[in-house]
Amino acid sequence: QVQLVESGGGVVQPGRSLRLSCAASGFAFSNYGMHWVRQAPGKGLEWVAVLWHDGSVKYYADSVKGRFITSRDNSKNTLYLQLNSLRDEDTAVYYCATGNSSKPLLYWGQGSLVTVSS
Amino acid sequence: DIQMTQSPSSLSASVGDRVTITCRASQGISNYLAWFQQKPGKAPKSLIYAASSLQSGVPSKFSGSGSGTDFTLTISSLQPEDFATYYCQQYITYPWTFGQGTKVEI
Repeated sequence: QVQLVESGGGVVQPGRSLRLSCAASGFAFSNYGMHWVRQAPGKGLEWVAVLWHDGSVKYYADSVKGRFITSRDNSKNTLYLQLNSLRDEDTAVYYCATGNSSKPLLYWGQGSLVTVSS
Repeated sequence: DIQMTQSPSSLSASVGDRVTITCRASQGISNYLAWFQQKPGKAPKSLIYAASSLQSGVPSKFSGSGSGTDFTLTISSLQPEDFATYYCQQYITYPWTFGQGTKVEI
């Protein structure tokens, strides 16, 4: 079955960097676009970024554009999110998710908590 | 960016009640609308895609309708496991956007 497992979260100081990983299994990873969605404590869902199946196209939310970079290694079935210049407001659980053109965001990981604090 | 507005933000209901949640888009999104259920401490679960299509394995007590700018999610007979927060989301254009959520409480 489809499985997405995020890792790499933790506590980081403002202005520093962190890299999240999302390990995928149970489906043909290289055929699927992948998304990042985050949720600040007690808040709603915020879409963060998407990366095309072949890495050719990326889109980002305005709130992270220029600071976050998503990438993938299809040989390792792994998606990455590089979080740079972190701010307090980036504190959130970060989910990776995937689906297809007709059933977007069908599968979700369990999430990885990033806490930005001095 | 397309803004998604849900109403109400929260509601209290009883087991067996019929519940309707509304989602309005700031511009037309055809039927590129999904609904998610989220329970505390858990990842969101996809319920409905294309405004009215039920995801595999989702009970038929959930239904969605609408097109253009106005959409609804209906739970026909609320059960204890349905108490959760529900989100709508548009996927017609990037950045994808979610509604602020509707918390369904006992």
